[in-house]
Amino acid sequence: DAGVIQSPRHEVTEMGQEVTLRCKPISGHDYLFWYRQTMMRGLELLIYFNNNVPIDDSGMPEDRFSAKMPNASFSTLKIQPSEPRDSAVYFCASSLWGNGYTFGSGTRLTVV
Amino acid sequence: AQSVAQPEDQVNVAEGNPLTVKCTYSVSGNPYLFWYVQYPNRGLQFLLKYITGDNLVKGSYGFEAEFNKSQTSFHLKKPSALVSDSALYFCAVRDAVSNTGNQFYFGTGTSLTVIP
Repeated sequence: DAGVIQSPRHEVTEMGQEVTLRCKPISGHDYLFWYRQTMMRGLELLIYFNNNVPIDDSGMPEDRFSAKMPNASFSTLKIQPSEPRDSAVYFCASSLWGNGYTFGSGTRLTVV
Repeated sequence: AQSVAQPEDQVNVAEGNPLTVKCTYSVSGNPYLFWYVQYPNRGLQFLLKYITGDNLVKGSYGFEAEFNKSQTSFHLKKPSALVSDSALYFCAVRDAVSNTGNQFYFGTGTSLTVIP
């Protein structure tokens, strides 16, 4: 298996633009997590899905953030409109029940 | 409530010396415990885990961790540090009987620097 695949690896966008981050989890994993990492706040859980259903989105910062998982092999995290304070590394991770996570390589987002 | 604490933001150790990165946890039942390592500009990578069984767990790259139920700790150790071990280390915990699915709770991370 190629692991958890995230795209793009780097994204630079202007404030106010829409940004879409993508994630392909490991086949067969039933949990998918979106995290954000910054120097100031460390690793933050944004949202997680179980069997494609959002379970807990309490970590999503505000309504500008939305996440979807239309099928077991794909998820998106969208920011609209983006702001400079959204600049961070966004990680996707997947897992099976009772097991640890496999993380993707992350998307480094810079909003200028 | 489920939580984990990494009391040290930064640990420095000389190459060849033993290293310890501390982790304490809080769960209501039995814990599932994990250690992850993050190298610069990379995602978190699995190092080792404790689910049940022997309290001393051996993992990747010569690391090991000891589960201590009475002290609610799961410290990461290595007998002889390498410069290449310099990275950010995260401890994570989940209650074996979880009401939050497979959500693990991560510590704030400990930055390990091994000095040549």
